[in-house]
Amino acid sequence: AQTVTQSQPEMSVQEAETVTLSCTYDTSENNYYLFWYKQPPSRQMILVIRQEAYKQQNATENRFSVNFQKAAKSFSLKISDSQLGDTAMYFCAFITDKLIFGTGTRLQVFP
Amino acid sequence: NAGVTQTPKFRILKIGQSMTLQCTQDMNHNYMYWYRQDPGMGLKLIYYSVGAGITDKGEVPNGYNVSRSTTEDFPLRLELAAPSQTSVYFCASSYLGRGYGYTFGSGTRLTVV
Repeated sequence: AQTVTQSQPEMSVQEAETVTLSCTYDTSENNYYLFWYKQPPSRQMILVIRQEAYKQQNATENRFSVNFQKAAKSFSLKISDSQLGDTAMYFCAFITDKLIFGTGTRLQVFP
Repeated sequence: NAGVTQTPKFRILKIGQSMTLQCTQDMNHNYMYWYRQDPGMGLKLIYYSVGAGITDKGEVPNGYNVSRSTTEDFPLRLELAAPSQTSVYFCASSYLGRGYGYTFGSGTRLTVV
């Protein structure tokens, strides 16, 4: 079975600090893609960052970066210089033939 | 460019009623998907389509039906609504499938009472 596990139901961070959200996954496939999605209170699902499993280099998008450890099947998201607008649910997901989501981490950024 | 449009945004159904959730995308995406999100949970795949005329079941298809007569539209039909179908429903689309992430609609909050 293909699964995604996010072990932190809730996290909090002070504005301007750095926070890391954890994600592990399980698949027997070798070729897949990984994603982090953000869901603010507006409910919209917003793609934050993507990683191709065959690439060693960790993806980076502005303040967002990942630590991809393929052998450990780990895909954590680091948010640097946290902003109040980062407050949201964050979902880790991966895709082989279909997109599979974790249960999410609720991130609260405090002033 | 509207992206993925879902209607309605909110709906209350009585047990046993039927309804269709509409989903339209204007990006010429071949792949379209329906997910449901229960409170405190991630998204679970209901049905998906890889092109007009082709649909397939996801993780939780029971109680739902879909059709894909055009590239743009992918409606989700609920027959005989049950309280267990109370959820937020998301439609999504993708151009090349796997690697480029999905574009999501803003969701439909459905309550069955």
